[in-house]
Amino acid sequence: EADIYQTPRYLVIGTGKKITLECSQTMGHDKMYWYQQDPGMELHLIHYSYGVNSTEKGDLSSESTVSRIRTEHFPLTLESARPSHTSQYLCASSPSASMNTEAFFGQGTRLTVV
Amino acid sequence: AQKVTQAQTEISVVEKEDVTLDCVYETRDTTYYLFWYKQPPSGELVFLIRRNSFDEQNEISGRYSWNFQKSTSSFNFTITASQVVDSAVYFCALGGSYIPTFGRGTSLIVHP
Repeated sequence: EADIYQTPRYLVIGTGKKITLECSQTMGHDKMYWYQQDPGMELHLIHYSYGVNSTEKGDLSSESTVSRIRTEHFPLTLESARPSHTSQYLCASSPSASMNTEAFFGQGTRLTVV
Repeated sequence: AQKVTQAQTEISVVEKEDVTLDCVYETRDTTYYLFWYKQPPSGELVFLIRRNSFDEQNEISGRYSWNFQKSTSSFNFTITASQVVDSAVYFCALGGSYIPTFGRGTSLIVHP
């Protein structure tokens, strides 16, 4: 069983609010990822990190920001939420080095901006 | 760049039918890894299998089997005697020099 946790699981918030989605893993993985999942299922990579103080933007342009101050923690922040941000956000981690290992996923945060 | 195509958006079957989910990939890497994940209604993605590019042996795990064919760049997933609990979205993914790339997913609905 994967030890990666996301909070909150569900969040309904008003337009313009600042929110932070939390993601923590206890496996000591260097690589961490944030995906945004459309209602139609497709996963879009929005941010990733190869380790502490490393953050990169993914394939999908996002107005969110991330930080990686500690190995185990990779929070995602929206400074001003909009209805277009309504989606599911999935956090994942994998061991470092090569790309031959599977990613472990959290249960996701379903965000609704009203 | 790399790409994963899951052409089947949704598949609907009746319990006990066999079903195959297709996955076609593109990559310029000579060494790469292929994965299948299951996403039940609860939301998290659950890892099912990993296969590296040098191992074309098919694999069977219970009712699940995977057919990797490098010649056609395909990594198909078959569920034998499907059950209602198999209803989920299934993702194929590719790892190599780049960060993992996921397909669009196939929603499998198994009716009782």
